[in-house]
Amino acid sequence: DGGITQSPKYLFRKEGQNVTLSCEQNLNHDAMYWYRQDPGQGLRLIYYSQIVNDFQKGDIAEGYSVSREKKESFPLTVTSAQKNPTAFYLCASSPRGGAGYNSPLHFGNGTRLTVT
Amino acid sequence: DAKTTQPTSMDCAEGRAANLPCNHSTISGNEYVYWYRQIHSQGPQYIIHGLKNNETNEMASLIITEDRKSSTLILPHATLRDTAVYYCIVLSNTDKLIFGTGTRLQVFP
Repeated sequence: DGGITQSPKYLFRKEGQNVTLSCEQNLNHDAMYWYRQDPGQGLRLIYYSQIVNDFQKGDIAEGYSVSREKKESFPLTVTSAQKNPTAFYLCASSPRGGAGYNSPLHFGNGTRLTVT
Repeated sequence: DAKTTQPTSMDCAEGRAANLPCNHSTISGNEYVYWYRQIHSQGPQYIIHGLKNNETNEMASLIITEDRKSSTLILPHATLRDTAVYYCIVLSNTDKLIFGTGTRLQVFP
């Protein structure tokens, strides 16, 4: 079955450590996205990529980094510069981005990161 | 980016229709309206989307007003498993799907 896999489901880190969250899709989608969700809040866009080797900052990119070396993979690194890293992180993909384009996002089931 | 406004929460009796409203008065002519839902601690699930015409699929119906400034998601026969947060989203011209805080729908027996 095609889908998006995020791993691990739960992740614990000490403050000051970088941590990388995995996101893999086998849907052959061009576009991939990372969102962050805090308790009781909606989703906020961190980074997105419409094509391999290219990505753009979202609304809250500070303290995060990404890479898009392969079409199916879009890992997110939460750096020590991110002041409040504890959150629920969601990865998504779509066939293509673009205003008015008929392409719903498909989401993974998220990684819950706790930094203490 | 076009913004959406939704009620914070709604209740619905099991077996009845759930009608979830959304305002998007600044929507542009080529922007789609999307609906997603999120059950606690899971990724959002796509429900339906539309541009101008009303749409229906196996999950729901989407009614978009003629001026496109608002829409309504209809779950025709709500079940307890439909309890979730429902997001109405307009796809922006910067290729970013902007989520608001959504409507928390509680379906009760």
